[in-house]
Amino acid sequence: GNSVTQMEGPVTLSEEAFLTINCTYTATGYPSLFWYVQYPGEGLQLLLKATKADDKGSNKGFEATYRKETTSFHLEKGSVQVSDSAVYFCALSDRTGANNLFFGTGTRLTVIP
Amino acid sequence: DGGITQSPKYLFRKEGQNVTLSCEQNLNHDAMYWYRQDPGQGLRLIYYSQIVNDFQKGDIAEGYSVSREKKESFPLTVTSAQKNPTAFYLCASSLRQGNTEAFFGQGTRLTVV
Repeated sequence: GNSVTQMEGPVTLSEEAFLTINCTYTATGYPSLFWYVQYPGEGLQLLLKATKADDKGSNKGFEATYRKETTSFHLEKGSVQVSDSAVYFCALSDRTGANNLFFGTGTRLTVIP
Repeated sequence: DGGITQSPKYLFRKEGQNVTLSCEQNLNHDAMYWYRQDPGQGLRLIYYSQIVNDFQKGDIAEGYSVSREKKESFPLTVTSAQKNPTAFYLCASSLRQGNTEAFFGQGTRLTVV
């Protein structure tokens, strides 16, 4: 079946530190992969996506590469800011099944000045 | 502007009452979803619908009901049978074809008083 496993948090970093949040997946078909961000009291917003193997999604300094050989989609940012403090969700979409959206459990990131 | 709208943002319910959360989208998406999020937790799927007049139970459907009479609307009723309804509820929509991302509403925070 389909599933997403995400690095547990919380993660606390100092401003300008390097960020990695690990995400691995299991899928029966050929999924697209996503990272969503959730700010306090709000819904989820799409941060970046990749639709096939070796694609790199990027947005706002965040990057993630679709690695089929390791079934991974790790989120990285070279220099985090206080405004990046949020909860980050890894997700996959696979249209081969009836329910085609699967989310990780979320990782809370706090960036301190 | 296209988007997905949830209302109300905050909702208070007395014990034993049913309440209905609204979710409307003008993105022409076929698929719609309801998730529940508890403090510090990830998303849990309540119900989803891939097409009008059809919906499926998710992982935690007990105590909830939905309808999908129109493509743009997917209301969720929290019934008195739901023993612990206080939570943050998120509605999402996506295209049914292709591995595309989901779009989320801003959420409804339900509190039992």
